[in-house]
Amino acid sequence: KAGVTQTPRYLIKTRGQQVTLSCSPISGHRSVSWYQQTPGQGLQFLFEYFSETQRNKGNFPGRFSGRQFSNSRSEMNVSTLELGDSALYLCASSRLAVTTKGIYEQYFGPGTRLTVT
Amino acid sequence: EDKVVQSPLSLVVHEGDTVTLNCSYEVTNFRSLLWYKQEKKAPTFLFMLTSSGIEKKSGRLSSILDKKELSSILNITATQTGDSAIYLCAYNAGGTSYGKLTFGQGTILTVHP
Repeated sequence: KAGVTQTPRYLIKTRGQQVTLSCSPISGHRSVSWYQQTPGQGLQFLFEYFSETQRNKGNFPGRFSGRQFSNSRSEMNVSTLELGDSALYLCASSRLAVTTKGIYEQYFGPGTRLTVT
Repeated sequence: EDKVVQSPLSLVVHEGDTVTLNCSYEVTNFRSLLWYKQEKKAPTFLFMLTSSGIEKKSGRLSSILDKKELSSILNITATQTGDSAIYLCAYNAGGTSYGKLTFGQGTILTVHP
């Protein structure tokens, strides 16, 4: 099975611009989660989508948004970029490991390295 | 606020040594605890521990969940230079937090030849 794919892998943007990142989950996985990783804050949860609906949201400003399509592919968008948005953005696709308890295993994609100048 | 704390933050060993990495969690609800290895790329999945699966082993790596102490350890025996990485611990809370993981700050492991 192919793993989680993310595009683009690297991106350089200017403050004030907006950016869209894409994620294709592992085939059959319906849940997609997004994380931001920075040296100072570590890995932080952004949001999760399941069956085209946002199921969970982290503590990020409204400039961060996302969506999921019917084929489970997901995009996240950051508007009005700030220097502090420079980070590795990771997408994870989840497999339901224990059906009766709603326990998921998450597998990460390679990430998109965003640099804001 | 729910929290995950890993220790030590960094560790330097020599090939052949055995290491134990610690993860403690203060959470209001618990569903699962996951361990990941991160080299110069995305985290790769190692283990998931739950209330019904408190011990996992794969080759030289093993992990145990201590539900009473709200902690977990990751053991690596006979370390190799290829084990050098950041090891991340994360928990998933109960309720509707299905796809949300809360991560610890990670342990940086360096294995010298």
